Amino acid sequence: EIMMTQSPATLSVSPGERATLSCRASQSVSSNLAWYQQKPGQAPRLLIYGASTRATGIPARFSGSGSGTEFTLTISSLQSEDFAVYYCQQYDSWPPLTFGGGTKVEIK
Amino acid sequence: QVQLQESGPGLVKPSETLSLTCAVSGYSISSGFHWGWIRQPPGKGLEWIGSIYHSGATYYNPSLKSRVSISVDTSKNQFSLKVNSVTAADTAVYYCARQIRASYYFDYWGQGTLVTVSS
Repeated sequence: EIMMTQSPATLSVSPGERATLSCRASQSVSSNLAWYQQKPGQAPRLLIYGASTRATGIPARFSGSGSGTEFTLTISSLQSEDFAVYYCQQYDSWPPLTFGGGTKVEIK
Repeated sequence: QVQLQESGPGLVKPSETLSLTCAVSGYSISSGFHWGWIRQPPGKGLEWIGSIYHSGATYYNPSLKSRVSISVDTSKNQFSLKVNSVTAADTAVYYCARQIRASYYFDYWGQGTLVTVSS
């Protein structure tokens, strides 16, 4: 099973600032990594797939990078609607599909 | 627009079977794609439970495999989840979702349904 580790657990950022979230895989997942955003009481929403491709309708301020075992989600200028929990998910080797534990982006 | 909607009992007694259905609209299940179940205990992260292909082929999380069954009913355009011998640890919001063909991330999700295991 591939373990996914996200850091930090909580990130405090001021609106308009840049946020950088990390996701590490216990073994290479190539570029088979997705990022999701989840707001309270809502289902996760796909942001990024293939490590760096934005899903339909996702603003350009969201960008993903990395390959192998190290990945980054960057939000270039945080808007009020971006405060949420973010999860990474590997789909390179399954079953099982595995998610990271999440990073909560909160208002500083 | 693809939409998924979970339904089923919100309260299940310990040792009994949890049963949920995911109704799909805006896309025919028999046209392809994998369809999955994911759960999220209150205040915790996401856990993949299992997935089914439109042909009926199933894939389960090894941690749950002995207690889980997923089936598909293409005539009703829905798929279902059963979890046997539930305990309080199975209390969670259960989501159904579609997986992209040839990749396996989830592009469309249901709104989720909370299932509480309690006597």
